[in-house]
Amino acid sequence: EVQLVESGGGLEQPGKSLRLSCAASGFTFDDYAMHWVRQAPGKGLEWVSGINWNSGSIGYADSVKGRFTISRDNAKNSLYLQMNSLRAEDTALYYCTKGLAAASWYPFDSWGQGTLVTVSS
Amino acid sequence: EIVLTQSPGTLSLSPGERATLSCRASQSVSSTNLAWYQQKPGQAPRLLIYGASSRATGIPDRFSGSGSGTDFTLTISRLEPEDFAVYYCQQYGSSLWTFGRGTKVEIK
Repeated sequence: EVQLVESGGGLEQPGKSLRLSCAASGFTFDDYAMHWVRQAPGKGLEWVSGINWNSGSIGYADSVKGRFTISRDNAKNSLYLQMNSLRAEDTALYYCTKGLAAASWYPFDSWGQGTLVTVSS
Repeated sequence: EIVLTQSPGTLSLSPGERATLSCRASQSVSSTNLAWYQQKPGQAPRLLIYGASSRATGIPDRFSGSGSGTDFTLTISRLEPEDFAVYYCQQYGSSLWTFGRGTKVEIK
C-alpha cells in the first residue's frame, strides 16, 4: 500500500523558512515523479512544484519560483520542499503526491494527508 | 500559463441523476495531460480520470471523461451518495501543472 507522510509544517513568521519532508513507502520510490500541491483554507488546489524520478527535471509554480526548492533523496525514499522568504499567502495545507510514472507530466495517483503551514506574525 | 475554467461552480442534483461537469482550457491541451480529481471534505483529493478518458485504478465505471482540445467533460452517470464532493480538472503544459477552481456537486 502506498503511504506518503508529510511533516515539517507549523507556524512561521513572514520572511522565515520551513522545510517540509515526505516519507514514502509501499512503492519503488525512484520509479516515480513526485510533487507538492497546496490548498489554502477553504480554497482550491494549487500545484507548487514537481520533480521527476532522477531529479533531472524540476518545475515550480510562478508563485513560488525563486523562493521554494524541491529535492528528493531516493536512498531515503524521501521528498523535500525548502520554503524560504515565506509570505502570508503561502499559508496552506501542503500535500505530497506521487506521479503515475517516472516523468513529471503524469498526474498524481496517490496523496498524503498533508501538513499545515501557517505564515503569520 | 493555461487557465482552466470549470462550470458550473455548484451543481445541485439528487442521487441517481446524471452529472455533467465542464472544464474549458484557455488554449489547447493535450488530452494525454488532462486529469480529474474528486475531493471530499477533510480528505485528500483522489485521481479519477487521466489522459482525459482513462479511469484510474479502482474508479467505478459510472465515472467517465471525454473531450479534446479546449473542452473536456467529466460525467457521472448515476450519482451515488458518496459522489457528492468537489471535482477538479488539471492539466500539464509548458512544464507547469494547473488546476481548475472546482465544481461542487451537492445534494439537491
